[in-house]
Amino acid sequence: GENVEQHPSTLSVQEGDSAVIKCTYSDSASNYFPWYKQELGKGPQLIIDIRSNVGEKKDQRIAVTLNKTAKHFSLHITETQPEDSAVYFCAAHYKAAGNKLTFGGGTRVLVKP
Amino acid sequence: DTEVTQTPKHLVMGMTNKKSLKCEQHMGHRAMYWYKQKAKKPPELMFVYSYEKLSINESVPSRFSPECPNSSLLNLHLHALQPEDSALYLCASSRDRGPGELFFGEGSRLTVL
Repeated sequence: GENVEQHPSTLSVQEGDSAVIKCTYSDSASNYFPWYKQELGKGPQLIIDIRSNVGEKKDQRIAVTLNKTAKHFSLHITETQPEDSAVYFCAAHYKAAGNKLTFGGGTRVLVKP
Repeated sequence: DTEVTQTPKHLVMGMTNKKSLKCEQHMGHRAMYWYKQKAKKPPELMFVYSYEKLSINESVPSRFSPECPNSSLLNLHLHALQPEDSALYLCASSRDRGPGELFFGEGSRLTVL
């Protein structure tokens, strides 16, 4: 089955700095890679996603890059703000495993004012 | 309406009790999911319903019994749970089972005494 590794597990940055979270996946058949943000006491919420036919996608301060050859993808947050503090999960969608989403272990991001 | 509503938000039950968790969405989504999330861990898939039929059961113990009465509702019936079943139970929905956004509810926090 699919395995998704996520690093780092915790990340502390100064407000205004950039944050980068990296994930690797095991199955080359995975074709969809979403990123979810989970704030305290809430369910995860999609912040950006990328499909396997695209190498990069940007939405305001958030960008995701995908390297299919190396089987890794990354989340980049620029000009971080205190409200970016949350747990971020990467995930990989694997059609052959019954259309399932496998999550990475999560990264707890703390943006210090 | 882009909400997934879960009730109750908090539930405390004894090991001999029978209780149910409820989930509702009115986005016309045809796939609905139950996830279990332990503290500082990613969501872990339990069940997937597609067009009101159970399509994935991730080898979940029979003390958890899902039910999908119609396309908008998803229940999780709980009976004879163990303390280790204490967790946040998240419901999610998506347009279908293909790769795409999962919309999560805020979860039901379950404590088994």
